Amino acid sequence: QQQVKQSPQSLIVQKGGISIINCAYENTAFDYFPWYQQFPGKGPALLIAIRPDVSEKKEGRFTISFNKSAKQFSLHIMDSQPGDSATYFCAASKGGGGSNYKLTFGKGTLLTVNP
Amino acid sequence: DADVTQTPRNRITKTGKRIMLECSQTKGHDRMYWYRQDPGLGLRLIYYSFDVKDINKGEISDGYSVSRQAQAKFSLSLESAIPNQTALYFCATSGGGRQHFGDGTRLSIL
Repeated sequence: QQQVKQSPQSLIVQKGGISIINCAYENTAFDYFPWYQQFPGKGPALLIAIRPDVSEKKEGRFTISFNKSAKQFSLHIMDSQPGDSATYFCAASKGGGGSNYKLTFGKGTLLTVNP
Repeated sequence: DADVTQTPRNRITKTGKRIMLECSQTKGHDRMYWYRQDPGLGLRLIYYSFDVKDINKGEISDGYSVSRQAQAKFSLSLESAIPNQTALYFCATSGGGRQHFGDGTRLSIL
């Protein structure tokens, strides 16, 4: 049973465009939703995260939108740049207060931003 | 994350061999993890450890074993490697509100 479903599997965007990656979860006990960014040859690194008490969180060009009733959350990358080309993973965990201690990951989205 | 070091970075071996992947960290975190990454399948948890005396199976532990030698060291073993264990393996720690990943070991089993 896949607990976190991520789409699309791959995405091509032109420089300056908006990249949108979506995730849906099934377990209502999840209370922490991070996004990780992975460049080739490197391990994933935390990009941005949200807890379900807010519907949106923005950090620079990166925004998470969260819809608790629909059990969905998404990553928006504004003004996408070639340097944003990477694989993005959504994830979820439970632990009372947003513990990161055991994450369930989506399958990943390979983002390519063309110059 | 340079504070989480995995060795070796690349390994090619044959079916049936015993393999050990090593992970060390200088972050001082108690919690450590081993993940496997396959194209199109994302990251899947193999084992995790909340401290030296606590080791837990993840979702795909069959065919793998681990050893937590110290707070800073967490090793993953494949007792008898098989080709479908060919993958990219990541070690991670958790603390400071995030998981910190090493740069991975690319393992190929022929």
